[in-house]
Amino acid sequence: NAGVTQTPKFRILKIGQSMTLQCTQDMNHNYMYWYRQDPGMGLKLIYYSVGAGITDKGEVPNGYNVSRSTTEDFPLRLELAAPSQTSVYFCASRRTGEGFYEQYFGPGTRLTVT
Amino acid sequence: RKEVEQDPGPFNVPEGATVAFNCTYSNSASQSFFWYRQDCRKEPKLLMSVYSSGNEDGRFTAQLNRASQYISLLIRDSKLSDSATYLCVVILTGGGNKLTFGTGTQLKVEL
Repeated sequence: NAGVTQTPKFRILKIGQSMTLQCTQDMNHNYMYWYRQDPGMGLKLIYYSVGAGITDKGEVPNGYNVSRSTTEDFPLRLELAAPSQTSVYFCASRRTGEGFYEQYFGPGTRLTVT
Repeated sequence: RKEVEQDPGPFNVPEGATVAFNCTYSNSASQSFFWYRQDCRKEPKLLMSVYSSGNEDGRFTAQLNRASQYISLLIRDSKLSDSATYLCVVILTGGGNKLTFGTGTQLKVEL
């Protein structure tokens, strides 16, 4: 099991550019999440999905979009990148079911927008 | 008031010391509680769940006080490898069981 994988590991974008952050999990988890973590701050939820075809906004969704066409993949799209989107982005997944609350995180994508 | 609050530290302690962190949460409907560990520039990983009756895992003990709305983590006999940031995490059941993270408490264990 590779667990949760994210690509790319690092990226520098210019203001106004777009990109997609990839996230894949091989644990057959229905629930997937995207977080951002700014320096010295806690993780903020951007979007989440409870299964293929179903997505919902988290705490800080503005400037981002997601899709969930398969159980395995949950890409995060940044349109018109802004300096405020400079952050570390973590994808996570977890099993469905009562009591299965542990979230498994990918290694993160470090994004700089200049 | 923040949903989950932690003292950011850093807590600088000598190897072998006992250290405790507290975390307060604002929503009394919070259902589940966890401590995650995050090493520098790495992803968070689950350290332990926190149960109402309190629970222990080796050198680590977690406690929950629902009346005062706080959870605690006690680390005994600190090791250099315990140096990390400890994130308090709270879940409100329902709506995808979203985790709410504290900003973390940094621990530095020194020789």
